[in-house]
Amino acid sequence: AQSVSQHNHHVILSEAASLELGCNYSYGGTVNLFWYVQYPGQHLQLLLKYFSGDPLVKGIKGFEAEFIKSKFSFNLRKPSVQWSDTAEYFCAVNARGGGADGLTFGKGTHLIIQP
Amino acid sequence: NAGVTQTPKFQVLKTGQSMTLQCAQDMNHEYMSWYRQDPGMGLRLIHYSVGAGITDQGEVPNGYNVSRSTTEDFPLRLLSAAPSQTSVYFCASSYGGSMYNEQFFGPGTRLTVL
Repeated sequence: AQSVSQHNHHVILSEAASLELGCNYSYGGTVNLFWYVQYPGQHLQLLLKYFSGDPLVKGIKGFEAEFIKSKFSFNLRKPSVQWSDTAEYFCAVNARGGGADGLTFGKGTHLIIQP
Repeated sequence: NAGVTQTPKFQVLKTGQSMTLQCAQDMNHEYMSWYRQDPGMGLRLIHYSVGAGITDQGEVPNGYNVSRSTTEDFPLRLLSAAPSQTSVYFCASSYGGSMYNEQFFGPGTRLTVL
């Protein structure tokens, strides 16, 4: 079964700082990779996804992520964060052909942006 | 489109009570799933369905039942609620009959079992 590890559970940054949230997964086969965001009191929304092709993917709100297959990583980045980026961020992996293993989420990173 | 809708938004149950969490989607998605979200645990898959009449277990299915009689609806039933089922429950759907595609999430149901 696949698993997902998010390196930081809580991150506090100041506005305009750069952001990188780590995500590593364990699965030897082909995967689809996702980052979801959950703003306070809201449901999960997709930030970006990687299925195949260019390993550098761009998502909404200025976020991007890079898939590094050799490192089993899919880190999320943003050059300059805003107060409105305060939210919970989840990395998720889906092993193609994984059957009931389906979509596996990391435990989440709670990001707080200070004005 | 309303997307994925869930009712109720909040629910308090006593231990041993039963209830059904409702989930509906109007996007004609074949794949639907239920997750529970607990602090520090992320989201964990409870049950999923790849189409009407087909359901299967996820990571944490014990204590929950599902059925899928129509494409639109995927209710989650708690047969005998326990305090360990206190959680936030999210329903999700995706197109193409596969969980491999982007999943769209509902607003969640916050359940407390006393």
